[in-house]
Amino acid sequence: AQSVTQLDSQVPVFEEAPVELRCNYSSSVSVYLFWYVQYPNQGLQLLLKYLSGSTLVKGINGFEAEFNKSQTSFHLRKPSVHISDTAEYFCAVRNYTGTASKLTFGTGTRLQVTL
Amino acid sequence: NAGVMQNPRHLVRRRGQEARLRCSPMKGHSHVYWYRQLPEEGLKFMVYLQKENIIDESGMPKERFSAEFPKEGPSILRIQQVVRGDSAAYFCASSPPFHADTQYFGPGTRLTVL
Repeated sequence: AQSVTQLDSQVPVFEEAPVELRCNYSSSVSVYLFWYVQYPNQGLQLLLKYLSGSTLVKGINGFEAEFNKSQTSFHLRKPSVHISDTAEYFCAVRNYTGTASKLTFGTGTRLQVTL
Repeated sequence: NAGVMQNPRHLVRRRGQEARLRCSPMKGHSHVYWYRQLPEEGLKFMVYLQKENIIDESGMPKERFSAEFPKEGPSILRIQQVVRGDSAAYFCASSPPFHADTQYFGPGTRLTVL
């Protein structure tokens, strides 16, 4: 069984400040890792993903994440946030397998950017 | 290339009625997934389908819920005899057959049960 823990349910931050959203996972097999963003009353949009290779992954909107296998973490970072980054962010994992399989999501972190 | 389409976007039902939610995957995608998001919670997997086959339904409630993905037409998530606890956002995602590493999500259907 897999699980994803997002330790912070809400993260308030001022505009232009850096931010880190934490994600830890638990799995008995190798996994793929994802971050999705959800704007109010909308669906989920893929921010970035880690499948293999370099542990530092760059995504859209200036976000990046680093896969740390020993700490089973995949924290999301942005050096300078904008008001428009206000949204819900979800970390997700799925089994490392040649066939498709379900995503297991964390409970989400609400990023609130203020002036 | 149009994205994943879901309709209706909003659905209101009274207790005991049936709800039918439709999902059209992206062109060329043959894998469909349904997830449910309860208020203030993350998404929970319900079912994974390929054309005419249910691959994984480990997240589906045992009663009242069913899903299909026919050879022609959209995938359907059907909830019979809805109860207030079924009120949630239901998201559909799709992925391609050979590079199934990423799921692309639709805008969701928000079901309200009165």
